[in-house]
Amino acid sequence: DQQVKQNSPSLSVQEGRISILNCDYTNSMFDYFLWYKKYPAEGPTFLISISSIKDKNEDGRFTVFLNKSAKHLSLHIVPSQPGDSAVYFCAAVPGSRNDMRFGAGTRLTVKP
Amino acid sequence: EAEVAQSPRYKITEKSQAVAFWCDPISGHATLYWYRQILGQGPELLVQFQDESVVDDSQLPKDRFSAERLKGVDSTLKIQPAELGDSAMYLCASSSPGTGAYEQYFGPGTRLTVT
Repeated sequence: DQQVKQNSPSLSVQEGRISILNCDYTNSMFDYFLWYKKYPAEGPTFLISISSIKDKNEDGRFTVFLNKSAKHLSLHIVPSQPGDSAVYFCAAVPGSRNDMRFGAGTRLTVKP
Repeated sequence: EAEVAQSPRYKITEKSQAVAFWCDPISGHATLYWYRQILGQGPELLVQFQDESVVDDSQLPKDRFSAERLKGVDSTLKIQPAELGDSAMYLCASSSPGTGAYEQYFGPGTRLTVT
């Protein structure tokens, strides 16, 4: 069962514009959410996270929004840069244990 | 900057052969994870260690996969015999309560191809 879903396999945006990556989850026990970025031939690297007690977390150009009622979160990158081109994974963790579940990923391409 | 080390980076093996992967977590990280990532999918947890003890191996195909972390530091994941469906990226990650809630640090992975 896929408890974390990223329904867009790919996204292409122009440099300087906003990138919005979406993620939906089904398990109401998830209470911590993370975004990881993955370049080819490298492991995923942590990008930003949010606790379920918040609805927004911002770190520089990256902002994650959480809508608990809709079981939806999104990652906003503003402004997008060519170096942001990578695969982005959404991940979720239930509060009781570090049992991280990943989405299938969205490949972001930022065109110069 | 401390990193999770994995070897080999690439492995090609024939089906029915044995294969092993090695992981050295970030120094001081008590929790170690092995994930499998099939192309086009997200990583899936195979096994989680806390120090030398297995915390979760519910998704590990125990008839052919084994994992150990004898001294609570580095770890080995073994597949015997390998099957065609085992072709995937095998990722190791580590974490520590002091590094931030739930954040895991990943190694570069081992790309396994079974022919």
